Amino acid sequence: EAQVTQNPRYLITVTGKKLTVTCSQNMNHEYMSWYRQDPGLGLRQIYYSMNVEVTDKGDVPEGYKVSRKEKRNFPLILESPSPNQTSLYFCASSLSPGAGNTIYFGEGSWLTVV
Amino acid sequence: SQKIEQNSEALNIQEGKTATLTCNYTNYSPAYLQWYRQDPGRGPVFLLLIRENEKEKRKERLKVTFDTTLKQSLFHITASQPADSATYLCAPMDTGRRALTFGSGTRLQVQP
Repeated sequence: EAQVTQNPRYLITVTGKKLTVTCSQNMNHEYMSWYRQDPGLGLRQIYYSMNVEVTDKGDVPEGYKVSRKEKRNFPLILESPSPNQTSLYFCASSLSPGAGNTIYFGEGSWLTVV
Repeated sequence: SQKIEQNSEALNIQEGKTATLTCNYTNYSPAYLQWYRQDPGRGPVFLLLIRENEKEKRKERLKVTFDTTLKQSLFHITASQPADSATYLCAPMDTGRRALTFGSGTRLQVQP
């Protein structure tokens, strides 16, 4: 079954404690992306990757890091989380959005920073 | 700057009626436009894609139109059902652009 898997699904953490949200896809997709979703602001793109070792900033990259060492994995790293990073995070993947391919989303990770 | 506008107010309709949702965009020259459905707390799910040379696309009870002159796409659900209640997102994609951005979505509520 085609899947984008995120972990953890729910996390409460404290300000400044580094955390990583993992994302894995089993569809051999080249494109992967992270979004955050906040009430009234919709989905905002944090980072995306067109292929292994290629990453680019999205609209709201501040406070986040990503890496793409393998095709299937695209972890999101919060080096020093702050309360304004409390949000619902989605990982997504696609063959190539520029060619009109479908974007597949994970189930989401609810992150609370206190 | 590029902007995608979807009606932020919820659309409430009666079961059996046709729901029409609007997506307007500025400073895009989209090669295509996608529509997604999102249920509360879940990831968006792809519904339909329409290309710039297509005026209309249908899939079962769904219909999408694309007017590149008006810079607008309309999304219709005919014979709506309570199960259609969700938030619907549009995403125009420029030719050559590498990332997909979404509108903030319109919440549809279908009353039984």
